[in-house]
Amino acid sequence: DAMVIQNPRYQVTQFGKPVTLSCSQTLNHNVMYWYQQKSSQAPKLLFHYYDKDFNNEADTPDNFQSRRPNTSFCFLDIRSPGLGDAAMYLCATSRGPSGRGSNEQFFGPGTRLTVL
Amino acid sequence: QQQVKQSPQSLIVQKGGISIINCAYENTAFDYFPWYQQFPGKGPALLIAIRPDVSEKKEGRFTISFNKSAKQFSLHIMDSQPGDSATYFCAASKEAAGNKLTFGGGTRVLVKP
Repeated sequence: DAMVIQNPRYQVTQFGKPVTLSCSQTLNHNVMYWYQQKSSQAPKLLFHYYDKDFNNEADTPDNFQSRRPNTSFCFLDIRSPGLGDAAMYLCATSRGPSGRGSNEQFFGPGTRLTVL
Repeated sequence: QQQVKQSPQSLIVQKGGISIINCAYENTAFDYFPWYQQFPGKGPALLIAIRPDVSEKKEGRFTISFNKSAKQFSLHIMDSQPGDSATYFCAASKEAAGNKLTFGGGTRVLVKP
């Protein structure tokens, strides 16, 4: 089945120790998104890629970076995790750019990040 | 203003009852309105979506009602089941803006058996 896969599902890191979360998709979608979701809150968009074109949200801290080496994979790098970065990180994809169905976003299962 | 306001924050309904969640938006450029269902520890899953050219869309027990003039849309869950207990998010996006979703705050629904 076509899907969005996130690894690992659970990640524990230490305060200030860099961590990388990964996302892969078999949907062959053009757009990939990274969201941060804290407990009892809505997902918050960090950035997205349209193909190789990177789009950062204005309020995304510099501590968060992303890489998309090819269509299928996208990585979220947190350079120096703080306690406030503990959250669920969600990857999503959409077909883009236009036409019926292009808006639909498909989410992965998420990676739960714990910062000690 | 890109905000989407969702109410109520939480909802308790008896099995077989109707769950109703409401959302209001400000940006008239939004052209896509999805609802997502999220279970604890899982990613959101697209439940049903509507575009502003229709006033209602039904898929099984789930119905979206859309009022363009009032800039409001709602999700009705008919014959609610305990398995429907989850958090529901409404959202809105506009295709020209990279399909970025603006989410409502979420509604936690509990269906009692």
